[in-house]
Order: sequence, then structure tokens, then C-alpha cells
Amino acid sequence: GENVEQHPSTLSVQEGDSAVIKCTYSDSASNYFPWYKQELGKRPQLIIDIRSNVGEKKDQRIAVTLNKTAKHFSLHITETQPEDSAVYFCAASRNLADSWGKFQFGAGTQVVVTP
Amino acid sequence: NAGVTQTPKFQVLKTGQSMTLQCAQDMNHNSMYWYRQDPGMGLRLIYYSASEGTTDKGEVPNGYNVSRLNKREFSLRLESAAPSQTSVYFCASSEALRNFFGQGTRLTVV
Repeated sequence: GENVEQHPSTLSVQEGDSAVIKCTYSDSASNYFPWYKQELGKRPQLIIDIRSNVGEKKDQRIAVTLNKTAKHFSLHITETQPEDSAVYFCAASRNLADSWGKFQFGAGTQVVVTP
Repeated sequence: NAGVTQTPKFQVLKTGQSMTLQCAQDMNHNSMYWYRQDPGMGLRLIYYSASEGTTDKGEVPNGYNVSRLNKREFSLRLESAAPSQTSVYFCASSEALRNFFGQGTRLTVV
């Protein structure tokens, strides 16, 4: 089955700096890679996702890059702000009939943005 | 439009007791999921339902059962709770694989 590893487990950045979180996956058939943000005591919320037919996707200050050959994908947050402080989870899934919607999540990265 | 609603928000059970966690979505999504979240382990899939009338096991199904009552509702049942089931449980529904989560149920088994 799929295995997703996420690094680092914690990340401290100064406000205004960039943050990068990396995930690697094992199943070469995985083709959908979302990122979720979870604030303390709240539910996870989708912030950006990428499908295997593209290599990069941007949405304002966040971007995700995908390297299918190396089987890794990364979340990039630029110009970090205190409200970016949260736990971020990556996930991988393949949408084949026998495993549709079966997500494997990374263990999470605690991001702390200090003013 | 409430999205995904879970009940209860908090629950304390004694070992061996049973309970059902309720989940309902009003987004007309076909797929629904139950996850558990433990510290340092991310979210792990317990069961999922690709469409009304179907359910399938996820990564950690032991000790749980589910019912897809209709398109809106997907319940999770613990028949005989164990301390290892202490966790935060999230229900989710999805469209095109994009998960929308409920607010979570914090369950403690003593």
C-alpha cells in the first residue's frame, strides 16, 4: 500500500520568510496530492491540491510542486504571516476503482511563524 | 449550508461500552469517510463509502463498524470501546477527491 513520509515535523520561521514542507510517497500509481491546514482544535481544511498531470500549482502565497519521477511533492508558503501557524498535512491517493478515495496522510508539520 | 456535521463533539466512554458517532453532509457528495487522528500520526482512514449503499475498510477498521444510512448520513459504531480507541474522529465527504471535514469528535475511553 501507499506510504507517505512528511518532513520536517516542526518548522519555525520568521514572519515574512518562506516555509517549505516536503512529502515523499511510495506508490507510483498515486495521482492526487492534496495539502490540508489544521489550526489548533479545528478541522483540517484543504488549501491546495495537485494532480499528476501538472508539475506546479500556485494560489496566492502558497504553491505545490510535484516530481513524479522522484515521487515527492512540496508545499511552499511565501511571505509567511502569523495566521499561517498551524499543522499542515500532505496526502496521496490514486483514483483507481479498487482504491478510490483511499488517502494516505503524512504525519503532519507544525509550522510556527514568529513575528 | 452546514457542510459536514458530526455529533457528539465530546464523549467519554467506559471500556466495553458501545456508541455511535453520527455524520451528515448537505453537499450532495457521493463519497464519505471516517478518519481517526492521533498525535504524531496524521489522519488514518477507518472506513469509507464511495457511494450510497457501499462501504469498504480503510487502514484501521478493527473494532469499528459503519452504516451508510442514505446519501447524507454515514455513521461509525464502536461495539465494545477500548482505551486504544481514544482519539479524535473526523468524518468527511468529498467531491472529486477533495475532502471536506466535520468539526471532529473527541472520544476518551477510560
